Amino acid sequence: KNQVEQSPQSLIILEGKNCTLQCNYTVSPFSNLRWYKQDTGRGPVSLTIMTFSENTKSNGRYTATLDADTKQSSLHITASQLSDSASYICVVSEGGSYIPTFGRGTSLIVHP
Amino acid sequence: DTGVSQNPRHKITKRGQNVTFRCDPISEHNRLYWYRQTLGQGPEFLTYFQNEAQLEKSRLLSDRFSAERPKGSFSTLEIQRTEQGDSAMYLCASSLLPGTSGIYEQYFGPGTRLTVT
Repeated sequence: KNQVEQSPQSLIILEGKNCTLQCNYTVSPFSNLRWYKQDTGRGPVSLTIMTFSENTKSNGRYTATLDADTKQSSLHITASQLSDSASYICVVSEGGSYIPTFGRGTSLIVHP
Repeated sequence: DTGVSQNPRHKITKRGQNVTFRCDPISEHNRLYWYRQTLGQGPEFLTYFQNEAQLEKSRLLSDRFSAERPKGSFSTLEIQRTEQGDSAMYLCASSLLPGTSGIYEQYFGPGTRLTVT
């Protein structure tokens, strides 16, 4: 069964600090991996999309990495801001079909 | 506003009633997706359309759930005989067709929050 596991479940950091969120998956065959940011009560917003051949992709202060061999990804947030407080969701799509598998998300709280 | 819109934003209904939600995608997007999200969980895929064709519906949660996209533009998701377990956020997203890399950017709407009492 395809699964996406995220850790930690929740994280509290101080404004200005860096943090790294983890995603492990068992989806096979692999097509692509996305990271989304979801503010409370709103729809997810895409941060990065990576295919099998990509190891790193950045979007401003967000940098995602992908190790397709170990089936792991991380999302690194640099110099966190209060507005980074949200849920961060890892999504892996299976090759050959559309159906994505979503992780449960990591809830990030940034304190001043 | 040229993003994905969903109506209503909130719906409270009594158990056993039918409800219908509407999604208006970004105008040039061929694909439209429906998801359900319960509290503390990631979204769960339900179904998707390419233009007016429903290409995947095996993940609809039961035969009480149905979706349509009659003219390839807006879509509706109907839940018949609602149950308390149907209480959730229902999200819609849209995208263009995948490129040669198989990648497509998906844009989500704000969701419809359903509460079944």
